[in-house]
Amino acid sequence: GAVVSQHPSRVICKSGTSVKIECRSLDFQATTMFWYRQFPKKSLMLMATSNEGSKATYEQGVEKDKFLINHASLTLSTLTVTSAHPEDSSFYICSGLGGNTDTQYFGPGTRLTVL
Amino acid sequence: AQSVTQLGSHVSVSEGALVLLRCNYSSSVPPYLFWYVQYPNQGLQLLLKYTSAATLVKGINGFEAEFKKSETSFHLTKPSAHMSDAAEYFCAVSDMKTSYDKVIFGPGTSLSVIP
Repeated sequence: GAVVSQHPSRVICKSGTSVKIECRSLDFQATTMFWYRQFPKKSLMLMATSNEGSKATYEQGVEKDKFLINHASLTLSTLTVTSAHPEDSSFYICSGLGGNTDTQYFGPGTRLTVL
Repeated sequence: AQSVTQLGSHVSVSEGALVLLRCNYSSSVPPYLFWYVQYPNQGLQLLLKYTSAATLVKGINGFEAEFKKSETSFHLTKPSAHMSDAAEYFCAVSDMKTSYDKVIFGPGTSLSVIP
């Protein structure tokens, strides 16, 4: 199956700083990438849909100025959590959808802890 | 609007016993259905998917699921549980009209396997 990587796997930062998370499709071109947030023992909540070369589409209730998404190439999307606060601490997971597939392939996730 | 329910947030089975995880969906159009597994602190791995072909779908690790339109169900089964099957399982639905369509996840079922 297709492989998606995320970097970093874990990050701890101070409140008020910004953190960038990278999502890469390693062996396919992801025309669309999705960013999810997962709280402990909860399901995945879709944050935004990112299409290569265009602005991301955010789900209702997700602050686009706080969670900046860039999908500059067919293999890379980034999520930047700006001015992070402790309530932003969570597990962030990305997925990629290729043009010829009907399946999302998920990255391993990034554990963000904001102190 | 699409939705997914998973009956039982936690299921416990003995090693070697049948695994049955329930999933019911709601969709106004023919759905695509997925089962994903998540191990602790990891991303999601696709177990199997239904995309309007055979109603009995075989996946990895001995899992299979049957699409029953009359019951709007897509239950996941495995004849004999292994200790390594202990994880969180998510059922998901999408209508996949375009590659931008969202996948809606169920709340998840945590599977425990008792030795």
